Amino acid sequence: VQLLQSGIEVRKPGESLKISCKGSGYTFNNYWIAWVRQMPGKGLEWMGVIYPGDSDTRYSPSFQGQVTISVDKSIATAYLQWDSLRASDTAMYYCARRGPDYFDSLDVWGQGTTVAVSS
Amino acid sequence: DIQVTQSPSTLSASIGDRVTLTCRASQSISGWLAWFQQKPGKAPKPLIYKTSSLERGVPSRFSGSGSGTEFTLTISSLQPDDFATYYCQHYDTYVYTFGQGTKLEIK
Repeated sequence: VQLLQSGIEVRKPGESLKISCKGSGYTFNNYWIAWVRQMPGKGLEWMGVIYPGDSDTRYSPSFQGQVTISVDKSIATAYLQWDSLRASDTAMYYCARRGPDYFDSLDVWGQGTTVAVSS
Repeated sequence: DIQVTQSPSTLSASIGDRVTLTCRASQSISGWLAWFQQKPGKAPKPLIYKTSSLERGVPSRFSGSGSGTEFTLTISSLQPDDFATYYCQHYDTYVYTFGQGTKLEIK
C-alpha cells in the first residue's frame, strides 16, 4: 500500500498549480484521501478530504475556497489545486489515506510535495 | 468546531524515562483520537488510533489512554529513536483536526 506524490514545485505568486497523489496496492476508490499542510517550521493542518468512489469532498473551514480537491478514479490519483498561488502557500503538502475500519485514522501517508511560491 | 490543544509544547527527557504527553479537546470527542510521530523532513508516522489502539508495527512502549476531552500518549521507556514531534488528532469521517504538537527533546 503506497501513496506516491508528485515532485517539488516552484511557482510565482498568481500562478496556478495542481499536485497529485497516486494510490497503489489497494482499492483506491474505497478509501478517503486527506490533504494536510505543513508550513515551514510549523505543525500539521488538515485541509480537506475526498472519497474517490463518489468524489464527496469536505474542506476545513480554513481552506474552503482557497484550494480545490479532486480525484481521477481511472488512474487512482487525487489532486490538490490552486488557481492563484500566494507566497503564504509555501509549504509541504501531504496526502494520507483514511484506513478501512470504522475507527481508523490516517494510516498511510505520501512522502510529501514541497511547494515554493516566490517572486 | 472542536479544537485540540497539546501540552507541553516542548518536553526534555532522558533515555529510559517514562514520559506522558497530553491532548485536550474543546468538547467530548468520544474516543476519536489519534497520535502521530514526525521526524524532521519526514512524513508523519501513525502511532495510535481510537485513543489506545496501536498501529501495526508500533513498539509496545507506546500507549494511549483517555476519554471525553482529555487524552494521553505515554512512552514507557524512552529510546533514542523516540525523540521527535508528536501530534494528536481528533478525527471523524469529515474532520481531521490536529493539535499543535509536542516536541520531545533529549535532556
